[in-house]
Parts: sequence; C-alpha cells; structure tokens
Amino acid sequence: DTGVSQDPRHKITKRGQNVTFRCDPISEHNRLYWYRQTLGQGPEFLTYFQNEAQLEKSRLLSDRFSAERPKGSFSTLEIQRTEQGDSAMYLCASSSNRVGTTGELFFGEGSRLTVL
Amino acid sequence: KNQVEQSPQSLIILEGKNCTLQCNYTVSPFSNLRWYKQDTGRGPVSLTIMTFSENTKSNGRYTATLDADTKQSSLHITASQLSDSASYICVVILNAGNNRKLIWGLGTSLAVNP
Repeated sequence: DTGVSQDPRHKITKRGQNVTFRCDPISEHNRLYWYRQTLGQGPEFLTYFQNEAQLEKSRLLSDRFSAERPKGSFSTLEIQRTEQGDSAMYLCASSSNRVGTTGELFFGEGSRLTVL
Repeated sequence: KNQVEQSPQSLIILEGKNCTLQCNYTVSPFSNLRWYKQDTGRGPVSLTIMTFSENTKSNGRYTATLDADTKQSSLHITASQLSDSASYICVVILNAGNNRKLIWGLGTSLAVNP
C-alpha cells in the first residue's frame, strides 16, 4: 500500500496524559498536513510541512501541540496534557507541489483520539 | 467572508436511484473546487478536482459540474449503490499552489438504502 498511513488508528487516554500520532506520507510527496475533525464538521487545518520545514501553524494549535517532520519523510503530532476537548479525529494528508502535479491532497485513515 | 455551503444536509435514497448534491461558495480568489467522499470513521477520498475553466468532470458514476459565474457546483451520482453511503464534502481552494487555504463545506450525509 503506497497511500498515506497513520498510526495508531484509535487511541483512548486519560486526561492529562501525553499522546503521539505518526503519519507516513506518500513517499514522493514533499508536503504534509495535519487536520483535526470533530463529528459533523469539516477538517480544520492544524499545520503543514514542506519537506522538513514547518511553514505554518494554525492558531488552533495550542502550545500543548507540537508537530515534527525531522527528515522530511514521516511526521509526528504530539499532544501534551490532553484535555477532553482534544477528542477528535486527527487526519494527515500529503501532496506534491512539483511541476506537473495537481496539488491534490491524499488523506490517511486518521487517528481517532478519545480523552476520558 | 469565504464560505462554502452545501445542501441538502442529509439525503436518503433507494439503491439504484440518482441524486444531486449542491455546493454554493463565496470564495475569492478561486483556484479550484474539489469534491471528497468520506466514509464514517475514515479519511476523505478525492472524487474530482475542477479548475475555473472546467464546467464538468466525471469519475465513474460521479459527475461534478461547476458554474463559476453563479459560484455553484453540483455532484451527481448515477445508479447509486449501498457503498455510496457516506459524507460528501465540497472544498474550495482559495488560491493556487497552497493547500492550507482550503475552505471546507460541512458535507452532505448520503444514505443509500436497499
């Protein structure tokens, strides 16, 4: 499977614990995005990387959230001191902005977080 | 204000029937418009991408139309199947080459019953 993969698919944690999600994008894609989606809503942009550089962070991304893409390949999203309001589906997507590509976003299956 | 509105919010049809979903947008400057299908608990999957100059684009039983003058798009599903049951989301890209400026609709929830 050469699509975007996310791990874990589901995570249940107690309030105050830290969690980390991993995203492996399509290998030739240089852009990687993190979104958050709650029930009945569209995905909300959190942050994106071009190669290893984090080019933008949404104001939704509080200081408890941190994302990295150290080698320009896979990325991690860490949430520290989780709160019940962090419960959501965390979606990763990748794309290419190289000449000849459409810039289409390819999404992973998401990581569903439940904070008790 | 940049907005994407979809209608209906939800729709129930019988297997084999056709249906049309609507998307109205007030986004400027417009780059392109995308329709995504999202199954419950899964990530969105792209169905079509349409640029300003395209009026219609098909992908199997899915046909999208775009009227850039009236800022309306539609997604027509022909001969529906049970597996078409999902949320269909209209997304408008604010400008070219920058995926972070996506304006998402809230989606139409489609249920196809046998």
